[in-house]
Amino acid sequence: DVKVTQSSRYLVKRTGEKVFLECVQDMDHENMFWYRQDPGLGLRLIYFSYDVKMKEKGDIPEGYSVSREKKERFSLILESASTNQTSMYLCASRSTGGRSSTEAFFGQGTRLTVV
Amino acid sequence: LAKTTQPISMDSYEGQEVNITCSHNNIATNDYITWYQQFPSQGPRFIIQGYKTKVTNEVASLFIPADRKSSTLSLPRVSLSDTAVYYCLVGTNTGNQFYFGTGTSLTVIP
Repeated sequence: DVKVTQSSRYLVKRTGEKVFLECVQDMDHENMFWYRQDPGLGLRLIYFSYDVKMKEKGDIPEGYSVSREKKERFSLILESASTNQTSMYLCASRSTGGRSSTEAFFGQGTRLTVV
Repeated sequence: LAKTTQPISMDSYEGQEVNITCSHNNIATNDYITWYQQFPSQGPRFIIQGYKTKVTNEVASLFIPADRKSSTLSLPRVSLSDTAVYYCLVGTNTGNQFYFGTGTSLTVIP
C-alpha cells in the first residue's frame, strides 16, 4: 500500500517559532508538493520539488521555505511562524509519468495552529 | 497552465446521478483532465483521469467533449458517503506543477 506520511497530525506553535513539517513517501516518486488548505480557498500550492535539492515556488511561497535532501523526504519550514499561517498543510507525491495516469498521493494533513 | 472553473457547491438526494462540470477553456494539447475527491480532515484522493471522449471506472465516469474545453464528472446513484469536495485539475502527466482550485462541495441529502 502506497504511503505518504506527515510527521504530525496536529501541531501548536508560538508566534516567531521556527516550525518544521516533515513528509516522507515510500513510492520513489520524483515530485513532491506542499499545499495549505483554508476554508473557501481550496488547496493552494506553496512549493514543489521535482528532484533532490530541486525546488520551485508555487502560488504562495512567502513565509515558507523547503528542503529536499533525500528523494523520499520533503520538509516545509516556517522560518518565523505567524498567526496567518494557521492552516491545514498537505503533502503530496507523484511520479513523472508518460501518457499513462500519474495520480498524486496525499498525506493525512497537519493542522497547524500558531498562537 | 490551464485554469479551471467549477461550481462552488451542489446538493443532491441519495440515489440520484450527480454531474459536476468543469470549464477549462485554455486546455493545451498535452493536458489531461483529472478529478480528485476530498473528505473532511483527509487529503484528496484520485478518482478518474481522461484525455478525450469517455472514461469509466468503478467509481465514476468522465465525459470530455471533442473540443476538450470542459469536462463532466458523473457519479451514479450517490450515497451519503459521497458528500465531499471534488476538484478538477488540468495538466500534463509529466508536469511537476499541480494546481488545485477551490473545488465543488457536494452535499448528499437523505
